[in-house]
Amino acid sequence: GESVGLHLPTLSVQEGDNSIINCAYSNSASDYFIWYKQESGKGPQFIIDIRSNMDKRQGQRVTVLLNKTVKHLSLQIAATQPGDSAVYFCAEKIRRGGSYIPTFGRGTSLIVHP
Amino acid sequence: KAGVTQTPRYLIKTRGQQVTLSCSPISGHRSVSWYQQTPGQGLQFLFEYFSETQRNKGNFPGRFSGRQFSNSRSEMNVSTLELGDSALYLCASSADPGLAGGHEQFFGPGTRLTVL
Repeated sequence: GESVGLHLPTLSVQEGDNSIINCAYSNSASDYFIWYKQESGKGPQFIIDIRSNMDKRQGQRVTVLLNKTVKHLSLQIAATQPGDSAVYFCAEKIRRGGSYIPTFGRGTSLIVHP
Repeated sequence: KAGVTQTPRYLIKTRGQQVTLSCSPISGHRSVSWYQQTPGQGLQFLFEYFSETQRNKGNFPGRFSGRQFSNSRSEMNVSTLELGDSALYLCASSADPGLAGGHEQFFGPGTRLTVL
């Protein structure tokens, strides 16, 4: 089946830097794309989502960019903080049977050095 | 508002046994989804329940089943456990992912299942 993947398994940054986490997807029929953050010992936490008809969406310190031409999704975190250290997953959702089914990427580990 | 709760948090079973995991969604949420997370395969969708009906199912064998009760609480069952079933099983709830604004899923902390 089609899958979502990540370019980098680990990203190390200094506190205060901007972080960019990338994701490639293969299903052009996906309706939504979502970024999750998972801290050790916890379940994934929703960060931000973007519809397939949008190119950019901003949240608090985070921006998601969607490039449908090359099927690429990125999460930008501004002024990265040690509390941002976690594994970040992208997911694409396709509508099926009255709801949206997610396919997750493998995850990128973000390490923020103080 | 209380978050998604899952019980038990940790479980050790032996091959061939069966296991039942429980999930209590956020109050008012009617959709519950289950996921399996392993280092090798990552996060994979198991199934989704809405109003006591299975609305979608992932690509897992029939040994994996679930149900949802009228209060939206959900259980999943794995029969004839295999070593490869060792994983973190996550439950997530949402108001209704079928609605345009209902995509935010809230995950529980998971149940860590170890099969020996």
